[in-house]
Amino acid sequence: GDQVEQSPSALSLHEGTDSALRCNFTTTMRSVQWFRQNSRGSLISLFYLASGTKENGRLKSAFDSKERRYSTLHIRDAQLEDSGTYFCAAHDTNAYKVIFGKGTHLHVLP
Amino acid sequence: NSKVIQTPRYLVKGQGQKAKMRCIPEKGHPVVFWYQQNKNNEFKFLINFQNQEVLQQIDMTEKRFSAECPSNSPCSLEIQSSEAGDSALYLCASSLNPNSDYTFGSGTRLLVI
Repeated sequence: GDQVEQSPSALSLHEGTDSALRCNFTTTMRSVQWFRQNSRGSLISLFYLASGTKENGRLKSAFDSKERRYSTLHIRDAQLEDSGTYFCAAHDTNAYKVIFGKGTHLHVLP
Repeated sequence: NSKVIQTPRYLVKGQGQKAKMRCIPEKGHPVVFWYQQNKNNEFKFLINFQNQEVLQQIDMTEKRFSAECPSNSPCSLEIQSSEAGDSALYLCASSLNPNSDYTFGSGTRLLVI
């Protein structure tokens, strides 16, 4: 099975609403990084967490510090420009690489 | 604008042809990674380097794929004999150390026809 399970796979919401994306890991991970991929393919880093929570404007992310087996990304007051595909990438404890989730395609509607 | 520079942006090759793409990591980042993203948004790790040395690579990379990160030159990923299944977005990333956050380039989109 997949080591990183990301949900939901797709999400449509109206401007001004809130949403939450989640990644579950089948094993303990060292850290997690969240990205948004735009239509050109560029992966823009949103957060990198080794523990706890981080916030940047309308975005907030958390990484379960105890079990290190899940992470969340919250989007508050969604805007049209938030549309895109969001990926979590977990840093494998035993290898020098990250394992990506399959992405959440977010569509913000006016 | 990404601090990791990948060229070319698009690459079209016939089956059996060589395909070569380049990556300049973010300044000061000694670790470079290559990933392949297919049309289903699945990422596959290919290879990583610390300075000029390979840290890890997958079996696929050992056969038709070759990569290097020479000192004072861009890193490169080359497919010796392209196949249709190699069509994908190839992403390069760099970091300060193998376990820290990654900065990705904009990718090279390869189409093998």
